[in-house]
Amino acid sequence: ETGVTQSPTHLIKTRGQQVTLRCSSQSGHNTVSWYQQALGQGPQFIFQYYREEENGRGNFPPRFSGLQFPNYSSELNVNALELDDSALYLCASSGAVERAYNEQFFGPGTRLTVL
Amino acid sequence: AQSVTQLDSQVPVFEEAPVELRCNYSSSVSVYLFWYVQYPNQGLQLLLKYLSGSTLVKGINGFEAEFNKSQTSFHLRKPSVHISDTAEYFCAVSEIRDDKIIFGKGTRLHILP
Repeated sequence: ETGVTQSPTHLIKTRGQQVTLRCSSQSGHNTVSWYQQALGQGPQFIFQYYREEENGRGNFPPRFSGLQFPNYSSELNVNALELDDSALYLCASSGAVERAYNEQFFGPGTRLTVL
Repeated sequence: AQSVTQLDSQVPVFEEAPVELRCNYSSSVSVYLFWYVQYPNQGLQLLLKYLSGSTLVKGINGFEAEFNKSQTSFHLRKPSVHISDTAEYFCAVSEIRDDKIIFGKGTRLHILP
């Protein structure tokens, strides 16, 4: 059973550019959540995708958008990058949301630097 | 809305000494509580969780935590730390049936030789 994988590991962009981060969920999981972890801070919930639909969103502007594919992998897209978008972006996968508790398994993250 | 406060940003402790990492939470509804560990340059790993039942929860690597509803606390303890416990520890909360996890700012555990 493979765990959650993310690509790329590191990425450097400049202000105003667009970026796409990718996440492959753990086998058997149909839900993906994305978190932003700024330096020295705890992770902050961006949004969650369940069966290809957005299923909850945190306090992030619309330039943060996502997709989930039929194989349950997911993308996080950020448009018009700002310096404050520099962070570690974590993806977590979990099982069916119908259950009361679904443990989230985190990937290693993508380190985004915006210059 | 929920919030999590980790009372110490850094905790230095000698190897083989006991440690307690403090966490308080705020919520108007019933919640699940978690402690995650993040080793340098890695993602998050679940140490332990409180869902219901016994207020003393045992996790991996010899850690345990106690849920105290009246004090809205969920402190993490280990009786004897090892150099390999050097990491960032995050306390977190989520509403029941809501997968959104709210994290604290983290506590960096420094193990002194």
